Amino acid sequence: RKEVEQDPGPFNVPEGATVAFNCTYSNSASQSFFWYRQDCRKEPKLLMSVYSSGNEDGRFTAQLNRASQYISLLIRDSKLSDSATYLCAPALGNNRLAFGKGNQVVVIP
Amino acid sequence: EPEVTQTPSHQVTQMGQEVILRCVPISNHLYFYWYRQILGQKVEFLVSFYNNEISEKSEIFDDQFSVERPDGSNFTLKIRSTKLEDSAMYFCASSEEGTGSGPEAFFGQGTRLTVV
Repeated sequence: RKEVEQDPGPFNVPEGATVAFNCTYSNSASQSFFWYRQDCRKEPKLLMSVYSSGNEDGRFTAQLNRASQYISLLIRDSKLSDSATYLCAPALGNNRLAFGKGNQVVVIP
Repeated sequence: EPEVTQTPSHQVTQMGQEVILRCVPISNHLYFYWYRQILGQKVEFLVSFYNNEISEKSEIFDDQFSVERPDGSNFTLKIRSTKLEDSAMYFCASSEEGTGSGPEAFFGQGTRLTVV
């Protein structure tokens, strides 16, 4: 099983709509989880951390399900500027992040 | 806002040559990392560095690679005898503490290495 699995998409989302996607991870010992946003040929930028049962930041909500070993990201009221690839990154051990291939989101006017 | 800076932004080198990629982590951060991303693929961990020594490395980080913190601000990745398959975007990152304990890692803008 891969360390991190994400459906690459693309997820074509009408502007103003809600989109959600999951990421599954294989290492049950992971304690910290992060969502990063990556624009084409740019660096990953931290979107939000996901601790315990999850958290919310504006239009973005992240949830963690330890029993099933997945984290989710929900984007409400999608904006054109939300078009990007969203990378799931559980922390493995104390010193590294394992990245998935990402969920590509395309917000359509 | 503090940020991780990397130089150069783009490096072209001939196969077999050595390259040094440079990074200035965020000043109060203690953990430093190198990741790479081959075009169209996922971001891959190379190495983490703490307290002036490597704390973890991946299978990719073989004898061809080395890291160094030559002074109080710079963190470098040296790639010896470059191969075509070393062509990738190399990202430096830093965090206050180890990412496993919670603090987030912040990434530099990357160095695009092209081996010809």
